[in-house]
Amino acid sequence: SQKIEQNSEALNIQEGKTATLTCNYTNYSPAYLQWYRQDPGRGPVFLLLIRENEKEKRKERLKVTFDTTLKQSLFHITASQPADSATYLCALPKGYNAGNMLTFGGGTRLMVKP
Amino acid sequence: NAGVTQTPKFRVLKTGQSMTLLCAQDMNHEYMYWYRQDPGMGLRLIHYSVGEGTTAKGEVPDGYNVSRLKKQNFLLGLESAAPSQTSVYFCASSYPPGSASSYEQYFGPGTRLTVT
Repeated sequence: SQKIEQNSEALNIQEGKTATLTCNYTNYSPAYLQWYRQDPGRGPVFLLLIRENEKEKRKERLKVTFDTTLKQSLFHITASQPADSATYLCALPKGYNAGNMLTFGGGTRLMVKP
Repeated sequence: NAGVTQTPKFRVLKTGQSMTLLCAQDMNHEYMYWYRQDPGMGLRLIHYSVGEGTTAKGEVPDGYNVSRLKKQNFLLGLESAAPSQTSVYFCASSYPPGSASSYEQYFGPGTRLTVT
């Protein structure tokens, strides 16, 4: 069955450092992968989408890589700030061409200390 | 624009009671979804709708029913609540595949439901 794994342990880093979060998946060949941010008590907010033919995508201080051979995506936040503290979710379509139907990982909580 | 709104924000039910959660979106999205989020389980899709008057089952549909009578509204019903349905419920909406979008889903603020 399709499975998405994110590190369930919180990631603690110092302000100004680069945070790197990992999303691994099995039994998938997704056409794209998404990353969302979720703050406590709120709904997830879309951050980035990367397609299978894209190795890397950037948006401001965010960078996402997508390795379809390793079945892994890395999510980087450079020059991290305490305001970046949140839970980050990765999501993949339920099938290669499943349109908008997504399966979400359990998320990784990021804590950026000043 | 308000985006996606959900009512109520919190609710406590006794086992066997029924209730309806309301989701509304003002972005003219075709697709709407109901998820539940439990600690350590991530978001799981309950039901979804690809247009007004249509609904379909997600991965955890048992114990829930939905209706999409108007394009902007998606209702989630619990006919006989059980403690296992204690969770945070999120509604989301999106454009259909192939449209000028990035397949992103827009989420509401959630409803925290406790069943005792």
